[in-house]
Amino acid sequence: AQKVTQAQTEISVVEKEDVTLDCVYETRDTTYYLFWYKQPPSGELVFLIRRNSFDEQNEISGRYSWNFQKSTSSFNFTITASQVVDSAVYFCALSEQSGGSYIPTFGRGTSLIVHP
Amino acid sequence: DTGVSQNPRHKITKRGQNVTFRCDPISEHNRLYWYRQTLGQGPEFLTYFQNEAQLEKSRLLSDRFSAERPKGSFSTLEIQRTEQGDSAMYLCASSLGPSGGSRETQYFGPGTRLLVL
Repeated sequence: AQKVTQAQTEISVVEKEDVTLDCVYETRDTTYYLFWYKQPPSGELVFLIRRNSFDEQNEISGRYSWNFQKSTSSFNFTITASQVVDSAVYFCALSEQSGGSYIPTFGRGTSLIVHP
Repeated sequence: DTGVSQNPRHKITKRGQNVTFRCDPISEHNRLYWYRQTLGQGPEFLTYFQNEAQLEKSRLLSDRFSAERPKGSFSTLEIQRTEQGDSAMYLCASSLGPSGGSRETQYFGPGTRLLVL
């Protein structure tokens, strides 16, 4: 079974629309980390946010917001008033402890296309 | 403050040849990770180092893959006797590590794209 499921393969929106990218994870650990990364066409993964399993506070950073719900094992990402520059592949990742470090497992990614 | 750098950015090779990629992590980071990313997939963890010690290598794809970090700074990933299935993006990341929290955040390099003909 996949540990990180990003069910939306591709989302297409028009600029200024709000969009939510879904992430559902699976773990038996009580301590873990969740991440979102952005991969623009240039290919480099850009870190967006880290959440630990004990902190369920939602977070807002500019047009970005994240909704972490342990009850549903979800960590969804919303972009408000999307812009063309938001076009990229977005990856959700779960880090569980393995041999003294937290090794992330990435989802398959959601490709977001924002049309002008 | 420079980020993670990787060289070369692109590599084309013929099947059966050996290739080596280099990663230079963020200077104060003592953990370094290697991933492979194929088209339409997320990064897949291969191995990682804490300083010069390779702490996890069971997920290297085959014995043709090996990695080193001899002085705890830069690292190399070598693929021997390349096969067409090795064609992928190879990503390097670094983190402060250990101890959890923000030290676990990994920062990625631009990747090396390998094409095996």
